[in-house]
Amino acid sequence: AQSVTQLGSHVSVSEGALVLLRCNYSSSVPPYLFWYVQYPNQGLQLLLKYTSAATLVKGINGFEAEFKKSETSFHLTKPSAHMSDAAEYFCAVRAIYNTDKLIFGTGTRLQVFP
Amino acid sequence: DVKVTQSSRYLVKRTGEKVFLECVQDMDHENMFWYRQDPGLGLRLIYFSYDVKMKEKGDIPEGYSVSREKKERFSLILESASTNQTSMYLCASSQGRNNQPQHFGDGTRLSIL
Repeated sequence: AQSVTQLGSHVSVSEGALVLLRCNYSSSVPPYLFWYVQYPNQGLQLLLKYTSAATLVKGINGFEAEFKKSETSFHLTKPSAHMSDAAEYFCAVRAIYNTDKLIFGTGTRLQVFP
Repeated sequence: DVKVTQSSRYLVKRTGEKVFLECVQDMDHENMFWYRQDPGLGLRLIYFSYDVKMKEKGDIPEGYSVSREKKERFSLILESASTNQTSMYLCASSQGRNNQPQHFGDGTRLSIL
């Protein structure tokens, strides 16, 4: 069965520090992967997606993610955190059995301290 | 930009009531989805629709039904609301082609008393 694991339900960083949010997936076929962000009292917004082209994917707001097949990982990074990055982040993988569906991780809440 | 609009941001209902949550998208998307979001559980798919009048059960359909009479509108129905259905409900839509991202509404926070 497919799954997405996000290590760390809460991550705290100082403003200006590196942000690293972890995502590992399981999939028997080459995966299509997504990162979404949810700001307080809002729906989910697409940050970036990996669709088997370049392994390093750049997204909005300075975020990027690197696909590593050998590690079955798709970690999200940002070199320098900003207070406005405080939000919940979800990793998702396209379902094999129905490619219109996504399987989501349980989310990581990012806190940014001044 | 894609706009997915959920009719209510906050809703309070009583146990046993029939509850309707409405969602409208303006991009002529084929696919529409209803999710439930609970702390520590992420997003769980309730129902999915890939065309007008077509629907498919998701991971947690029990206690819910859906209606899609027009392409742009997808309704979630709680037949007889119970307290364990208190949650955040998110609607999403996507184009009917592989690997297209889903676009989300702002959610409805539903409380069942």
